[in-house]
Amino acid sequence: AQSVAQPEDQVNVAEGNPLTVKCTYSVSGNPYLFWYVQYPNRGLQFLLKYITGDNLVKGSYGFEAEFNKSQTSFHLKKPSALVSDSALYFCAVRDNGGSTLGRLYFGRGTQLTVWP
Amino acid sequence: GAGVSQTPSNKVTEKGKYVELRCDPISGHTALYWYRQSLGQGPEFLIYFQGTGAADDSGLPNDRFFAVRPEGSVSTLKIQRTERGDSAVYLCASSLGQIMNTEAFFGQGTRLTVV
Repeated sequence: AQSVAQPEDQVNVAEGNPLTVKCTYSVSGNPYLFWYVQYPNRGLQFLLKYITGDNLVKGSYGFEAEFNKSQTSFHLKKPSALVSDSALYFCAVRDNGGSTLGRLYFGRGTQLTVWP
Repeated sequence: GAGVSQTPSNKVTEKGKYVELRCDPISGHTALYWYRQSLGQGPEFLIYFQGTGAADDSGLPNDRFFAVRPEGSVSTLKIQRTERGDSAVYLCASSLGQIMNTEAFFGQGTRLTVV
């Protein structure tokens, strides 16, 4: 079965510093990986995805993620954090076969706090 | 519409009552998903529709939960004999068909509170 793990419940960084939110995955077959962000009282918003191709994926709001097959990781990164980046971030992997095709498996989420 | 719309945004109901949660997906999206998000957890899959049919309903926790999508657009999640443990945010998402590399777009969710 597919699964993702987000080892950190919380990440705190100062504004202007680089940030990393970690994600590792377990899949059978090719991974289809996603990052979503959730602001308070709002729905999940898509940030970026990895399907195939370049290991460094660029997404919305200046975020990027690095796919590492050997480490089964898909860490979310941003070179310079903003206070407005403070939110809950979810990593997800998509099921890629069988009767559960299309299902997304989410991690528990990582609360990112960027202080001024 | 411009995005996935869910109504109501909040629902408070008494234990044992019946509730319906509505999802209006993005126009043209044939795939529709329901997820449930409990406090401090990531969303958990409930059911997936491709068109009018439920392609995968293995995430529904028990037979009190049921969902329909009669015309391949709007979907309704129905919960009978609600229990306090059903309290959660119910999220709906839609995407373009079964294309694997297509992201799902989520609604703002319905916060269900069973008292």
